[in-house]
Order: sequence, then C-alpha cells, then structure tokens
Amino acid sequence: DGGITQSPKYLFRKEGQNVTLSCEQNLNHDAMYWYRQDPGQGLRLIYYSQIVNDFQKGDIAEGYSVSREKKESFPLTVTSAQKNPTAFYLCASSIGEGLAGAEQFFGPGTRLTVL
Amino acid sequence: DQQVKQNSPSLSVQEGRISILNCDYTNSMFDYFLWYKKYPAEGPTFLISISSIKDKNEDGRFTVFLNKSAKHLSLHIVPSQPGDSAVYFCAASSMYSGGGADGLTFGKGTHLIIQP
Repeated sequence: DGGITQSPKYLFRKEGQNVTLSCEQNLNHDAMYWYRQDPGQGLRLIYYSQIVNDFQKGDIAEGYSVSREKKESFPLTVTSAQKNPTAFYLCASSIGEGLAGAEQFFGPGTRLTVL
Repeated sequence: DQQVKQNSPSLSVQEGRISILNCDYTNSMFDYFLWYKKYPAEGPTFLISISSIKDKNEDGRFTVFLNKSAKHLSLHIVPSQPGDSAVYFCAASSMYSGGGADGLTFGKGTHLIIQP
C-alpha cells in the first residue's frame, strides 16, 4: 500500500532543543517537500528536493535544515534558530517532472509544539 | 505579498446546492492550478487540477474554471454533500521555473460548511 508516512503525529519539545521530523514515501517519487501550516494560513514551503543528495530552500527556510540521502526519506530538522517552531508540518512528494510533477501527495502531518 | 488569494475564509452552503469556491492569483507565470481538500489534523488530498491551456476541467461533482485574463479560478461542487465540509486550498505552479517539482504556492484556504 503506497503512501507517505510522517512520524510522530504529535511532538513536544522544550525551547532551545533541535528536533527532527520524519518523512518516508514508498511511491517511488523523485521530488519531496516540506510545508508548514499555521492557524488561518495556507501551506508555506520550507524546503524541497527534486533528487537524492540535492535540495533547495523554499520561502521560509530559516531555522530549518534537511537531508536527502535516500530517495524514500526526507527528514526535516527544526533548529533552535527557528523563532516560531510550533506549527503543523506537512511532508509531500511528487513524480517531479512535467505537469504531473505539480500534483503532490501529502502525508498525515506532524503537529510540533514547543513548550 | 500573497500570490494566491482566497478571499473568503469560510462559506456555508445547503446540502444539495452548488458550492462555489474562488481563487485569485497575481503571478502571471503560474500556468498550472490545483485544488486540495483538507480535514483537520490531516494532510491535504488532491482534488482536481487545470492547465492554463484550458478553461474548464470536470471530474464528477467537481469542476474547475479558469479565467486567465482575470487571473481567477473557481471550484464548483454540485451537488454539495455533508462529506464536502472541509478546508479547500487553491494552489499554483509555474512550469517556467523548472517544472512542477519546485513546490506549490498555496492560498490561505476556504472553510466550506455544508448545512443539512
């Protein structure tokens, strides 16, 4: 059963700690993305990766870091430099090419709360 | 500066009637548009899309209309059903900036409420 998994569903961390959010896909998609959603806001792009070992900053990359060592995995680290880390984080993937590359499939999300 | 705007934060429609959700964009480089549906605490699910070479795309109860000159698109749901109650996001992409793989620009969403 193909899809995107994000774990955990809820995550609590103390202020000043780094935290890594997991995202795995078995859709054989080349491209992967991280978005954050805040209340009353749309999804904002943090980072994206079109191919293994390569990634680009999105609109709000400050305070975040990513890696793409495997096609299936695109973990996101929320660092202590991120001023407002409490949010709902969504991972997505797409085939990455052409018009169909714009159609992204989303995971269930991780709600991060920094105390 | 918001490049994709959904000016109605919420919309209430009676069951069985037509729901019309609107979206405006400012970036003329956008040439592919998508609608996503989202329930609370879940990831968005893809609904329907349209390329800028078309002005209409239909899939069952869902139809998206694109007016390029007005930089406006709309999603029509007919007939509206209780399960349609969700937040709907409009999103846009530009094939000019490297293809569809470089991320989507989303609107803030419209909360559709279907009244029984």
